[in-house]
Amino acid sequence: DIQMTQSPSSLSASVGDRVTITCRASQSISNYLNWFQQKPGKAPNLLIYGASTLQSGVPSRFSGSGSGTDFTLTISSLQPEDFATYYCQQSYGVPRTFGQGTKVDI
Amino acid sequence: QLQLQGSGPRQVKPSETLSLTCSVSGGSLSSSRYFWGWIRQSPEKGLEWIGSLDDSGSTYYNPSLKSRVSISEDTSKNEFSLRLTSVTAADTAVYFCARDRHYYDTASYAFDVWGQGTMVTVSS
Repeated sequence: DIQMTQSPSSLSASVGDRVTITCRASQSISNYLNWFQQKPGKAPNLLIYGASTLQSGVPSRFSGSGSGTDFTLTISSLQPEDFATYYCQQSYGVPRTFGQGTKVDI
Repeated sequence: QLQLQGSGPRQVKPSETLSLTCSVSGGSLSSSRYFWGWIRQSPEKGLEWIGSLDDSGSTYYNPSLKSRVSISEDTSKNEFSLRLTSVTAADTAVYFCARDRHYYDTASYAFDVWGQGTMVTVSS
């Protein structure tokens, strides 16, 4: 299985901050990397697919970059509704695997 | 607008079979661009992909569950289902159904529409 490792596991930030979350794959996954946001009691919500393409309807303050084994999710200016847990997920191999999550709170 | 609605028993006894159904509305299960999948989430294992069903009816399963899992579809009802046999407490989780979309621009797949999640507890 391809292991996905996110860092940090949690972070504290303020409204307006620039936030960066890192995801590392245990082997090269090209650009087959997706990012999700999840709020308590809700299903994950797709933010970015193909490592850097913004899903329709997602605010432009979210961006993704990387290829191979190292990827980042950046929130350029954190908004109150962005406090949530973020997950990366690879779609390169079977089984599809997720990172352990990064919780962003105040 | 596509919506997915999961349903099924909230409690299952150890060694029995967990069965869940996902009803698809606002779109067709038979669409060629999409797979349909099940994902579960627990505090112990986090998010775990269980398996997916493609547009030809072929299935892909997580090897860790392959001996116990099956995913099937009923196109007449526009729904797909999950069966997990011989459950234990380790199968206690929130189970999500999701659409697995193929994005032509990046030649990649991503779960773009999710059901609300069904909490299933394995307990006697």
